[in-house]
Amino acid sequence: DQQVKQNSPSLSVQEGRISILNCDYTNSMFDYFLWYKKYPAEGPTFLISISSIKDKNEDGRFTVFLNKSAKHLSLHIVPSQPGDSAVYFCAANHRDSGGGADGLTFGKGTHLIIQP
Amino acid sequence: ETGVTQSPTHLIKTRGQQVTLRCSSQSGHNTVSWYQQALGQGPQFIFQYYREEENGRGNFPPRFSGLQFPNYSSELNVNALELDDSALYLCASSPPGAAMETQYFGPGTRLLVL
Repeated sequence: DQQVKQNSPSLSVQEGRISILNCDYTNSMFDYFLWYKKYPAEGPTFLISISSIKDKNEDGRFTVFLNKSAKHLSLHIVPSQPGDSAVYFCAANHRDSGGGADGLTFGKGTHLIIQP
Repeated sequence: ETGVTQSPTHLIKTRGQQVTLRCSSQSGHNTVSWYQQALGQGPQFIFQYYREEENGRGNFPPRFSGLQFPNYSSELNVNALELDDSALYLCASSPPGAAMETQYFGPGTRLLVL
């Protein structure tokens, strides 16, 4: 039972345009969401996060939007650059789970390809 | 500052064998988490160690076990290997009192079970 879903395995976007990566979740206990970027042969690196008390967080070219009622979040990258080509993972966590860590729950990832 | 390192980078084992994977945390980080990433899947949480004690565990059987040492480096041990254990194993470390986003991942160990 996948609690975090990224339904697009891949996405191709022209350089300079906007990239929109989508993520849905089913666990209503999740209250913190993160996006990671992964290049081949490297570990995932943190990109941007959002708490459930917000609906938007922005960091340079990256903006994450959260729609709690729809249990949906999206990552916008504008303008897209060739170096953005990577696999993007959406992850979620319940911060107040108590009794120890329960780690991050990841989606399957979306392979973003930026075309020149 | 040295990042998170993992060894070995690749490993081939046969079904039924045991394997030990190693992780060196980033300097000053006292928490280590392990994840399993099967092909075409996202990373899945195995367990976390904090101050040499298991601090949380995902949905993995007891044949997955770990250790954390006084220098905060860590091992993941898997007994009685099964074909489905073939995956990329990722280690992530974080500093004291860190927010979730300050988990730093290593490049992983790719395990193939034949």
